[in-house]
Amino acid sequence: EADIYQTPRYLVIGTGKKITLECSQTMGHDKMYWYQQDPGMELHLIHYSYGVNSTEKGDLSSESTVSRIRTEHFPLTLESARPSHTSQYLCASQQTGTFFGEQFFGPGTRLTVL
Amino acid sequence: AQRVTQPEKLLSVFKGAPVELKCNYSYSGSPELFWYVQYSRQRLQLLLRHISRESIKGFTADLNKGETSFHLKKPFAQEEDSAMYYCALQGAQKLVFGQGTRLTINP
Repeated sequence: EADIYQTPRYLVIGTGKKITLECSQTMGHDKMYWYQQDPGMELHLIHYSYGVNSTEKGDLSSESTVSRIRTEHFPLTLESARPSHTSQYLCASQQTGTFFGEQFFGPGTRLTVL
Repeated sequence: AQRVTQPEKLLSVFKGAPVELKCNYSYSGSPELFWYVQYSRQRLQLLLRHISRESIKGFTADLNKGETSFHLKKPFAQEEDSAMYYCALQGAQKLVFGQGTRLTINP
């Protein structure tokens, strides 16, 4: 079944650890996005990609990095986690050329950095 | 500049009452506007898009270019409508979301 997956769903980790949040989609979409959802539930775009080997920073400055080596895979990495990184991270995908704007979201990863 | 404003962070109404969630936008081109919804413990998902002029779960939204608004309305609120609602604008390169409105329907 076509879907977008995020792992882990929940992660509690200590300060200074390196972490990678995984996002994969089987929808065949070329565009992928990472959002940070703050406690007030506001969404902030932190990274996006329009295809393989294409990555751009979003509106919110983030210390995370992303890569897009395969169309279906868009992992986000934090080299050294800090408590300020505690948040909900949402991955989304979108197909160019279909109805504009419909993005499909994953279930999210809730990250807590102690 | 592309901007979406949802002036109400919280909105609380009683079951059976009408609901209106406000959304204003700023965009120089022809806007493509959407409402997304996030129910408790569920994924963020598309509710409706203006281009389809559809009604989903009793909700409608009319694009008013003169007032640059795209308010979401429902004549009779139901308890299952309690959720977080986001208005979104398709910009030149990405989707721009409003700050979100948490709607609570009281029994």
